[in-house]
Amino acid sequence: AQKITQTQPGMFVQEKEAVTLDCTYDTSDQSYGLFWYKQPSSGEMIFLIYQGSYDEQNATEGRYSLNFQKARKSANLVISASQLGDSAMYFCAMREGRNGGFKTIFGAGTRLFVKA
Amino acid sequence: DAGITQSPRHKVTETGTPVTLRCHQTENHRYMYWYRQDPGHGLRLIHYSYGVKDTDKGEVSDGYSVSRSKTEDFLLTLESATSSQTSVYFCAISRDRGLETQYFGPGTRLLVL
Repeated sequence: AQKITQTQPGMFVQEKEAVTLDCTYDTSDQSYGLFWYKQPSSGEMIFLIYQGSYDEQNATEGRYSLNFQKARKSANLVISASQLGDSAMYFCAMREGRNGGFKTIFGAGTRLFVKA
Repeated sequence: DAGITQSPRHKVTETGTPVTLRCHQTENHRYMYWYRQDPGHGLRLIHYSYGVKDTDKGEVSDGYSVSRSKTEDFLLTLESATSSQTSVYFCAISRDRGLETQYFGPGTRLLVL
């Protein structure tokens, strides 16, 4: 079974608008971490934001926020005020705790296109 | 930015030849990882290291070996490269084993002909 699901292979957003990239996960661990990475066309993997399973507040980092809904097992990335430089591939990842051997599992990614 | 470099950044090789990729970090992080990235598969863990001379297998370790003789260096070796090992290889580091963020190197594009 897929542990990380990103259902949107591609997304379009108009510059300056907000966009939500979906991510659902599956784990039986009580302790886990959720991450989002950005991969621009140049190929590097850039860490964006982290949410711990025990964190009560949604994580925010500048224009990035993580909409964490634990009961739904979703960890959507919200990018506010999209910029052309946000065009990239975005990966959701989960790092399971002790029960999962502290392994990191990545989703298949969502490609975001920002239109001028 | 985390201080992680990978070498070479690009390599073309022939089937059956050995290939070694190097990852070097300046962060003194304990954990180092090798992933491969292929279309439709996301990133998959090949091997990881939790200290000098301490390594363990990931989910796609067949055909690969690793070594870590110094904290800062983690080597990935393809003993006899095959076309199925054509991929982009990423090194990553994390401070510890827990729910720590992994930071990635710039990647190595490997083409096996």
